[in-house]
Amino acid sequence: DGGITQSPKYLFRKEGQNVTLSCEQNLNHDAMYWYRQDPGQGLRLIYYSQIVNDFQKGDIAEGYSVSREKKESFPLTVTSAQKNPTAFYLCASSIKDTRPNSPLHFGNGTRLTVT
Amino acid sequence: AQSVTQLDSHVSVSEGTPVLLRCNYSSSYSPSLFWYVQHPNKGLQLLLKYTSAATLVKGINGFEAEFKKSETSFHLTKPSAHMSDAAEYFCVVSGGDGNYGGSQGNLIFGKGTKLSVKP
Repeated sequence: DGGITQSPKYLFRKEGQNVTLSCEQNLNHDAMYWYRQDPGQGLRLIYYSQIVNDFQKGDIAEGYSVSREKKESFPLTVTSAQKNPTAFYLCASSIKDTRPNSPLHFGNGTRLTVT
Repeated sequence: AQSVTQLDSHVSVSEGTPVLLRCNYSSSYSPSLFWYVQHPNKGLQLLLKYTSAATLVKGINGFEAEFKKSETSFHLTKPSAHMSDAAEYFCVVSGGDGNYGGSQGNLIFGKGTKLSVKP
């Protein structure tokens, strides 16, 4: 079955350490996205990528970095510069479309806890 | 600019009774609107979408939503709640600013409505 795989499901890190969250898709989608979810806040966009080797900042990119070396993969690094990294992180993908109404397909998320 | 407001952070219904989750939007352009559902510790799943075709949109699991331009609303309904409907629901509007660059980076999420279903 096609889908998006995020790993690990739970991640614990000490403050000051960088950590990388994995996101892999086999849907052959061109576009991929990272969202951060906090209780009662909805989803906020961190980064997105429409094509390999290209990506754009979302609303809350500070303290995060991404790469898009392969179509299937869009890893997110949470750096020590991110002031409040504890959150639920969701990766998504979509067909690249000429109109902004293609639905997003989501992974099951990674819950990051930094102490 | 686009915005979306989910009017209730929490809705509680009894099994077998109707569900109404309210969503108002603001958009300078003809918007695309979506409802997504999220079960605990899972990703979001698309329930339905409106893209300027029929104003009454039917989705999965018996849900439907009606686009009302005069009221700038896109409320989600279901005639009879089931225990498995207990989840968080998100209303989403596309940031249609006329630049159809193909990116979903302009999607704006509501803060979510948590639906509880009592037996």
